[in-house]
Amino acid sequence: EVQLVESGGGLVKPGESLRLSCAASGFTFTSHSMNWVRQAPGKGLEWVSSIHMSGYNRFYADSVKGRFAISRDTAKDSLYLQMNNLRAEDTAVYYCARELSSSLNVDYWGHGTLVTVSS
Amino acid sequence: QSVLTQPPSMSAAPGQKVTISCSGSSSNIGNNYVSWYQQLPGTAPKLLIYDNDKRPSGIPDRFSGSKSDTSATLGITGLQTGDEADYYCGTWDSSLSGGVFGGGTKLTVL
Repeated sequence: EVQLVESGGGLVKPGESLRLSCAASGFTFTSHSMNWVRQAPGKGLEWVSSIHMSGYNRFYADSVKGRFAISRDTAKDSLYLQMNNLRAEDTAVYYCARELSSSLNVDYWGHGTLVTVSS
Repeated sequence: QSVLTQPPSMSAAPGQKVTISCSGSSSNIGNNYVSWYQQLPGTAPKLLIYDNDKRPSGIPDRFSGSKSDTSATLGITGLQTGDEADYYCGTWDSSLSGGVFGGGTKLTVL
């Protein structure tokens, strides 16, 4: 059974950093591209970042470019999102999401972890 | 302002059919596969349609997808009260080199 379990969310002040983790199980981690997708309270889905199954290509939304970094540890089957210089507008539930094939076809989502940025 | 445009809300009676549109451009829908997601309140999104018109196992054939040029459509027949949810379209944007979602459509079954 495919499982994606996020952790690392919490309350931080503007300008601070946070690292999200996603533990994956039930599938071959290196056979799928992985994504982070967020959802601000009461708002729609926003794609944040993705890492290609090869591990070489990484992509970011303009809103987080230069502040966030996606990475993975294939030995631990884990995906990470390092978030620096956090802003109030980064407040959201962050979902770890597995890509089925291409074009952002996400077939499995984690339960999400809440990040709140507030002074 | 989302890159993909969806109607904010739609409503229909139980048993009826509804179609939700998703409009984009040549850099996203026009040249990439489209997926559709259902999000019930307080839960993570669930994949309904991938590669424009394919259903994952377990998704009933009441749900269908199609794509034409730079637009995509999600169809739901035999509406049930349990279909009340937010629906999102998504795809890759080759110009942005990033994923994009529609703003979401809140479906009410009344």
